[in-house]
Amino acid sequence: GIQVEQSPPDLILQEGANSTLRCNFSDSVNNLQWFHQNPWGQLINLFYIPSGTKQNGRLSATTVATERYSLLYISSSQTTDSGVYFCAVEFANDMRFGAGTRLTVKP
Amino acid sequence: DADVTQTPRNRITKTGKRIMLECSQTKGHDRMYWYRQDPGLGLRLIYYSFDVKDINKGEISDGYSVSRQAQAKFSLSLESAIPNQTALYFCATSDTGGRNYGYTFGSGTRLTVV
Repeated sequence: GIQVEQSPPDLILQEGANSTLRCNFSDSVNNLQWFHQNPWGQLINLFYIPSGTKQNGRLSATTVATERYSLLYISSSQTTDSGVYFCAVEFANDMRFGAGTRLTVKP
Repeated sequence: DADVTQTPRNRITKTGKRIMLECSQTKGHDRMYWYRQDPGLGLRLIYYSFDVKDINKGEISDGYSVSRQAQAKFSLSLESAIPNQTALYFCATSDTGGRNYGYTFGSGTRLTVV
């Protein structure tokens, strides 16, 4: 089946710093989403981005489908950005998740 | 009200008991899914349904069953709960395979089997 790899697995930042999270996938996909899982376990949908670039405030994402990767950019990070960021790709009939990047933003 | 509602939010049950987790949605989506998340891991698919009479096994269906009672409702049952089924369970919906707006997830059910 399709492989979804996220890097780095862990990231510690000082408040105000910028970061880039990467998602690589091993096959063509119909759909790609980025989620933030907050400390209470809720999955917050950040971007639906099968291709191209989108921006929402301090967050932006780019997917290059032909090269099978997606990037999530976080600028001017805040402590509330802490949590786990998941990339998920739709392959066949379901979404396959990466193992996530655990982000800790220190004040 | 949330678009995808899961009940209960938290549940502690004993080994061997039967338990049902429920999911309802107001998005009008045809497709519904149950996922499981173990600590430190991503989500894995248990079962999915594309319509009321359609049930399909996912990656980790052993020990689980599902029922799609109506377009808006999809329930997950653990016939005889065991401790390694302790996990966070998520229900999700999508419209035509998520090709328009992606998947929407419920808030999760934290299940502990003792």
